[in-house]
Amino acid sequence: DGGITQSPKYLFRKEGQNVTLSCEQNLNHDAMYWYRQDPGQGLRLIYYSQIVNDFQKGDIAEGYSVSREKKESFPLTVTSAQKNPTAFYLCASSIMYSTDTQYFGPGTRLTVL
Amino acid sequence: AQSVTQLDSHVSVSEGTPVLLRCNYSSSYSPSLFWYVQHPNKGLQLLLKYTSAATLVKGINGFEAEFKKSETSFHLTKPSAHMSDAAEYFCVVSVSSGTYKYIFGTGTRLKVLA
Repeated sequence: DGGITQSPKYLFRKEGQNVTLSCEQNLNHDAMYWYRQDPGQGLRLIYYSQIVNDFQKGDIAEGYSVSREKKESFPLTVTSAQKNPTAFYLCASSIMYSTDTQYFGPGTRLTVL
Repeated sequence: AQSVTQLDSHVSVSEGTPVLLRCNYSSSYSPSLFWYVQHPNKGLQLLLKYTSAATLVKGINGFEAEFKKSETSFHLTKPSAHMSDAAEYFCVVSVSSGTYKYIFGTGTRLKVLA
């Protein structure tokens, strides 16, 4: 089955640690996205990638980093510079970076201890 | 500028009664509009989308939405609520005008009472 997988489902981090969230898709989509979800705030865009080896900052990129070395993979690193990283993180992809429909993974819940 | 407003943060209905979740949008260009559903600790699932074809859009699980340009609305409806419909629903506007962006509403939490 085609789809988007995210791992792990739950992640706990100590303050001062960097952690990496995995996102993999087998839909052959060119574009991929990372969103952060906080209660009552909807989803906010962290980073996006239109094609392999390219990525752009979204609305709340500070304290995060990404890479796009393969079409299928778009990992997100939450660095120690992110002051309030506890949130639900969602990865999405679309055929192209346009008005195409975005499809979402199951999410990773990150908690800072 | 583009924006989307979900008019109710919480909606409660009884099982078997109609569902109405309201969404208004603002856009200087012809928008694409979407409704997604999210169950607790899950990702977003696409319910339906409007992309300038028919104004009445049918989606999965018996949901439908009507695009009303004059009212700048895209309300989501279902004739008869089921317990499994209890979830959070997000309205999204997408516009490609030089910079493409998916703009999310803040969500409506639907509660279905037995």
